[in-house]
Amino acid sequence: KNEVEQSPQNLTAQEGEFITINCSYSVGISALHWLQQHPGGGIVSLFMLSSGKKKHGRLIATINIQEKHSSLHITASHPRDSAVYICAVNSGTYKYIFGTGTRLKVLA
Amino acid sequence: DTGVSQNPRHKITKRGQNVTFRCDPISEHNRLYWYRQTLGQGPEFLTYFQNEAQLEKSRLLSDRFSAERPKGSFSTLEIQRTEQGDSAMYLCASSNLSGGVGAFFGQGTRLTVV
Repeated sequence: KNEVEQSPQNLTAQEGEFITINCSYSVGISALHWLQQHPGGGIVSLFMLSSGKKKHGRLIATINIQEKHSSLHITASHPRDSAVYICAVNSGTYKYIFGTGTRLKVLA
Repeated sequence: DTGVSQNPRHKITKRGQNVTFRCDPISEHNRLYWYRQTLGQGPEFLTYFQNEAQLEKSRLLSDRFSAERPKGSFSTLEIQRTEQGDSAMYLCASSNLSGGVGAFFGQGTRLTVV
């Protein structure tokens, strides 16, 4: 079992839909990142969380430390949101542990 | 200096050739990490520097791989005698030792070995 699990692995949505991507982890963490990776491969860091909730535009990220779970929500999804979304955790060491990603496709 | 910069963004090389990638971290960041991402997988840890000291190397790094950070600023990752299995995205990240564990990621270098 991977230390960082994401679900779903693949997601197809219609434009305008509310999207949720989940991340569960089994290690104690100091921080959790949500990353976006476009087809060209470049990675953009969307959020870094250690507690609570953060919002940036149409993106919302939440984390529940007790339940070892985080969610990334996209409101009013758009085709340009199509990408791979990766959850990465840091357990207080210098290493990050990455999930395998959720491939999102938003259809017009 | 607005982020972690990696060069080149893409590299196509013939099997057996040597390649070198460069990572310029955020200037005040002490920690620098290299990761490798193969198709359909999340990134995997390769190596880590604190200032100029390379503190850990993953078993994923064979003897053909070497990384340096000579002045504690930019870092290079060299692959000698490339093999097709080396084809991957190579990611660099940096963080501030005193600023907690938040890391900033570069855009990556995509290597294709033909």
